[in-house]
Amino acid sequence: QVQLVQSGAEVKKPGASVKVSCKASGYTFTSYDINWVRQATGQGLEWMGWMNPNSGNTGYAQKFQGRVTMTRNTSISTAYMELSSLRSEDTAVYYCARRRQYGYSSSSEVMDVWGKGTTVTVSS
Amino acid sequence: DIQMTQSPSSLSASVGDRVTITCRASQSISSYLNWYQQKPGKAPKLLIYAASSLQSGVPSRFSGSGSGTDFTLTISSLQPEDFATYYCQQSYSTPRSFGQGTKLEIK
Repeated sequence: QVQLVQSGAEVKKPGASVKVSCKASGYTFTSYDINWVRQATGQGLEWMGWMNPNSGNTGYAQKFQGRVTMTRNTSISTAYMELSSLRSEDTAVYYCARRRQYGYSSSSEVMDVWGKGTTVTVSS
Repeated sequence: DIQMTQSPSSLSASVGDRVTITCRASQSISSYLNWYQQKPGKAPKLLIYAASSLQSGVPSRFSGSGSGTDFTLTISSLQPEDFATYYCQQSYSTPRSFGQGTKLEIK
């Protein structure tokens, strides 16, 4: 079945970096963009950016520009999200989600398959 | 950036009730509005896309409507498994953005 399997929980110190992986199975990895969304404890969902696994093209939310890097390894159908210069406010669950288009417009999209999330804790 | 505002932030209801959640965009987003359900400790699940299209496998008691700036999610007859938090999300422009969520609790 179609699924996204994320890497395990991480604990990092302030100023460090974290790299979260998201392995796709059950579909052609390069045919669907991957979004990254995070959620602080008890808070709402925050979109971080997207990556096209075929081209490697990316787009990041302004808030994360300069700190986030989204990459992929197509040979193992895995997407990565690396966040640097971590601070306590980055403590959250990080989700990858597949982007599916339902129409011709680039706006005609949904996040239809989600990973289970990776908890990243930033603490000294 | 487009701001998405949901109301109410929380809602108490009983099994069998009809419930409506509202989502308002800070500017017109046409019909590029999606709804997700999230249960504690779980990833969000897509319910409705393009404002009113039901995702495959989602029960027909869920429905969505609206266009422009005002949207609604309706659950026609609440079931025990529907108690969760619901989020709207716009895909009209980047950055994509979510509403703050509506927590639906058992009365």
